[in-house]
Amino acid sequence: SQQGEEDPQALSIQEGENATMNCSYKTSINNLQWYRQNSGRGLVHLILIRSNEREKHSGRLRVTLDTSKKSSSLLITASRAADTASYFCATDGGATNKLIFGTGTLLAVQP
Amino acid sequence: DTGVSQDPRHKITKRGQNVTFRCDPISEHNRLYWYRQTLGQGPEFLTYFQNEAQLEKSRLLSDRFSAERPKGSFSTLEIQRTEQGDSAMYLCASDLVLGQGGPEAFFGQGTRLTVV
Repeated sequence: SQQGEEDPQALSIQEGENATMNCSYKTSINNLQWYRQNSGRGLVHLILIRSNEREKHSGRLRVTLDTSKKSSSLLITASRAADTASYFCATDGGATNKLIFGTGTLLAVQP
Repeated sequence: DTGVSQDPRHKITKRGQNVTFRCDPISEHNRLYWYRQTLGQGPEFLTYFQNEAQLEKSRLLSDRFSAERPKGSFSTLEIQRTEQGDSAMYLCASDLVLGQGGPEAFFGQGTRLTVV
């Protein structure tokens, strides 16, 4: 089963523009993570935000978390063609801490 | 140690055959996860181990699936009597969890299974 859903399912932008992806989840969490996956490859960890944090930055990435709405957003600024990939949010919660992934956003950055 | 390693990268098998995949996690990591991913979907949790103990199994893991981590190091995932619906990417991940709020999980490149 999957914990959350990403929105939009697909996003196409021009190089240099910003890309925003949203994630909604269902249960309480300890933290939320964002991962990137290039076509047919494994997942790469991007950023982790803890449940007591509201915003976090890492390079061109900005993540927000609203636990009252059970939602998070990932902003990629000044996008590059190399950012083309699928992006997934993943949450853990409860006693087990296992990661549960959302359905993903497919981002295409046109050069 | 260069990361999580999975073997084989690709496997084509005939329906009804058994297959076994191997995952070597990052050596100091105590948790190991197995996920399955089909095209256009996010990874679906199958099972995970903390050291050698299998702590949770998803309902997706039918009795044809079995996973082991005998010495708390590498893990194997076996699928018996494969079906076409088993065709997917099987991903392994590991992390080091000390208390609540686990850190990032590191993923292998996956094993792509095709059942014909």
